[in-house]
Amino acid sequence: GENVEQHPSTLSVQEGDSAVIKCTYSDSASNYFPWYKQELGKGPQLIIDIRSNVGEKKDQRIAVTLNKTAKHFSLHITETQPEDSAVYFCAASKGGGATNKLIFGTGTLLAVQP
Amino acid sequence: SQTIHQWPATLVQPVGSPLSLECTVEGTSNPNLYWYRQAAGRGLQLLFYSVGIGQISSEVPQNLSASRPQDRQFILSSKKLLLSDSGFYLCAWGLAGVGETQYFGPGTRLLVL
Repeated sequence: GENVEQHPSTLSVQEGDSAVIKCTYSDSASNYFPWYKQELGKGPQLIIDIRSNVGEKKDQRIAVTLNKTAKHFSLHITETQPEDSAVYFCAASKGGGATNKLIFGTGTLLAVQP
Repeated sequence: SQTIHQWPATLVQPVGSPLSLECTVEGTSNPNLYWYRQAAGRGLQLLFYSVGIGQISSEVPQNLSASRPQDRQFILSSKKLLLSDSGFYLCAWGLAGVGETQYFGPGTRLLVL
């Protein structure tokens, strides 16, 4: 089955710097890749997603890139702010309904130092 | 717009007691519904999912069960809690038919003593 690896497990950056989190997936049939942000004690919130027919997607300070050949995708956060501090999860899915489930990475704890 | 609710927010239960966690979704019909457990702030483990009323699929053998008595209601239950059932329980919903994107509720923190 699908396996998603996520690195690094923890990341500390200075406010204003960029942060990059990387994920690799094993199933080449996967075609949907969301990223979630989870603040302490809350449920994960979808922040951006990308489908396999697109190589890059941006939303203000957040961007996701996808390399289908290498089977990896990355989250880029620019001009980091203290409120970006949270755990970030990547996930992969083959789509097509609930039976093609989201497979999550193990999470990255991002700490933005003011 | 769609919203998802979970209650209670926090629960402390003795070992051997029963459990009932509830999840409801507003603003959509016939959603796919999911229960996850998260231990130690990391690692989302899918427990159950449902594509319709009365339709439950279990992902891992365990001490828990799920039911979907109404279209937008998903319940997680146990007859006798174990210490290992402690964790953060998350409900999520997704659009039927499409299903990839999942939207999570606020979660229930369960502590079994």
